[in-house]
Amino acid sequence: SQQGEEDPQALSIQEGENATMNCSYKTSINNLQWYRQNSGRGLVHLILIRSNEREKHSGRLRVTLDTSKKSSSLLITASRAADTASYFCATHGSGNTGKLIFGQGTTLQVKP
Amino acid sequence: SQTIHQWPATLVQPVGSPLSLECTVEGTSNPNLYWYRQAAGRGLQLLFYSVGIGQISSEVPQNLSASRPQDRQFILSSKKLLLSDSGFYLCAWTRMAQTGELFFGEGSRLTVL
Repeated sequence: SQQGEEDPQALSIQEGENATMNCSYKTSINNLQWYRQNSGRGLVHLILIRSNEREKHSGRLRVTLDTSKKSSSLLITASRAADTASYFCATHGSGNTGKLIFGQGTTLQVKP
Repeated sequence: SQTIHQWPATLVQPVGSPLSLECTVEGTSNPNLYWYRQAAGRGLQLLFYSVGIGQISSEVPQNLSASRPQDRQFILSSKKLLLSDSGFYLCAWTRMAQTGELFFGEGSRLTVL
């Protein structure tokens, strides 16, 4: 079954606004990762948060993790048109298989 | 620096024809390799992963197979394509299987007609 599920499926905002995307997962994790995908391209890693961390920052990105609720959020502050893309959360499956399971993604449109 | 190459970028094939997508990684050794498929507007479905030469784990029973003939080469194949095999195929690698980030290729878009 899918490990990560994003919410909302689609988000449209104006340039300069903040964008928040949420991710829920089902089993225990080592870490949770967020990726970005421009249309028709491969995915690019954005940020990784470990299970013992609650918040992490990288530039305009802020990620939170609540292991008790099995959820994470990605906040993009002061959005730009260039942030238009799909965003995915991903978690490592149970055991030591190294499988990274992705959610369905949130499609973000930032209007100039 | 490490790079990942995936080809062909675009492929249009008739139903029943064979398939071969290739992926190679440069600048690292003994990577963990992955094949994902992405349907239009959807998330990524893990198809195969490999922790070493000749070691392939299949996640979803299907019309596809994978092989790893060399340390940094990963091949996705089919003997006879189905319409449902259409999609965007992504190869990825990581050095740390249990905790590491994945590095993705640019993808191969397959259309089966």
